[in-house]
Amino acid sequence: QVQLQESGPGLVKPSQTLSLTCTVSGGSISSGSYYWSWIRQPAGKGLEWIGRIYTSGSTNYNPSLKSRVTISVDTSKNQFSLKLSSVTAADTAVYYCARWRGYGDVDWGQGTLVTVSS
Amino acid sequence: QSALTQEASVSGTVGQKVTLSCTGNSNNIGSYAVGWYQQISHGAPKTVMFGNSLPSGIPDRFSGSKSGTTASLTISGLQPEDEADYYCSTWDYSLSAQVFGGGTKLTVL
Repeated sequence: QVQLQESGPGLVKPSQTLSLTCTVSGGSISSGSYYWSWIRQPAGKGLEWIGRIYTSGSTNYNPSLKSRVTISVDTSKNQFSLKLSSVTAADTAVYYCARWRGYGDVDWGQGTLVTVSS
Repeated sequence: QSALTQEASVSGTVGQKVTLSCTGNSNNIGSYAVGWYQQISHGAPKTVMFGNSLPSGIPDRFSGSKSGTTASLTISGLQPEDEADYYCSTWDYSLSAQVFGGGTKLTVL
């Protein structure tokens, strides 16, 4: 059973870059046909897809965030990462990493709260 | 505004059958399988249906279907532990993005 765990700073200053890492255990990040994804949820609101990276390395991003987002994979550490630049208070949310398989079968991390504040 | 439309709230009594809907268009639901995700008390989401398949460990009172550009999640024999927020999601090829519905709050009376 694969497990995913988010990690990173819980507090980021406005205009800085938010950086999170997702550590995958119970399976290799470089095997299989999976989309390694990031999703976020502001307090009291719904889920918002941020982007994904495929096993091959190709990426897709939410059009509304595309100019600020980078998702990458480190196969040596079995991790994938999210970088979101020029953050504002609107980027305050719980951030989830996930392994997305075909037909919407998703394994979710437990989530980590990131607050943007000076 | 979400690309997929869900009821804001649905309620039912224990043992009742309830159906949650998720409406999109030909670019998303009309072309791709839909996943359904349960979120209890703002915890991490959990997959309860993908396509028309049940993940391991999800009770068979959950079922899914799709007709045209609308997907549905049906819970037969509602239980108190089913009270949660439910989100639908699928791929949208015109946006080249994964899209979510706004979520339905299911209350078990």
